[in-house]
Amino acid sequence: LAKTTQPISMDSYEGQEVNITCSHNNIATNDYITWYQQFPSQGPRFIIQGYKTKVTNEVASLFIPADRKSSTLSLPRVSLSDTAVYYCLVALGTGANNLFFGTGTRLTVIP
Amino acid sequence: GAVVSQHPSRVICKSGTSVKIECRSLDFQATTMFWYRQFPKQSLMLMATSNEGSKATYEQGVEKDKFLINHASLTLSTLTVTSAHPEDSSFYICSARRAAGDDNEQFFGPGTRLTVL
Repeated sequence: LAKTTQPISMDSYEGQEVNITCSHNNIATNDYITWYQQFPSQGPRFIIQGYKTKVTNEVASLFIPADRKSSTLSLPRVSLSDTAVYYCLVALGTGANNLFFGTGTRLTVIP
Repeated sequence: GAVVSQHPSRVICKSGTSVKIECRSLDFQATTMFWYRQFPKQSLMLMATSNEGSKATYEQGVEKDKFLINHASLTLSTLTVTSAHPEDSSFYICSARRAAGDDNEQFFGPGTRLTVL
């Protein structure tokens, strides 16, 4: 299983762009990279998923370099409601597979 | 689409009693569901993988006789905490993977807060 490493916590002011980088040095060829957001006392919520290069959706962008040993979640213009824990996971692309959560990054958005 | 519900959302019980938590995929079929446990300010810990119509696969250190999992249909998995003790107090979260499709996205339930007195 590919282990992930993220910063434990980050602070950002409202309106700024936040980039959270995740290291996954032993990512496998078939692994996808997925990011989840979790608010207190709620289940994780899917943010974005990618395999290589760049993926963008309505809430975030995911940058993945060619070697795929790391990835960066980019949140544009964060607001107070983005204060949450963000988890980076890597898992096989197809088939039944379980997800193992690392420590996550606790993002605090400051007014 | 892809909504997962859990019931109850919160339960308080006395030590020694058993508690059942339901996980349902509301608008899709899920051949595989997962059960996680999360203690305060910690990450989610995978407890077991539940496959429809077969026995669950438990992670190392999780007692299968204490945490009974049943996945009787493609939309329902249940977790029963038997003879609950205060140290079982935690936030229990389930997730489900779609039966069809080639993505590996898991859809998570809202969680169940268990407090054992």
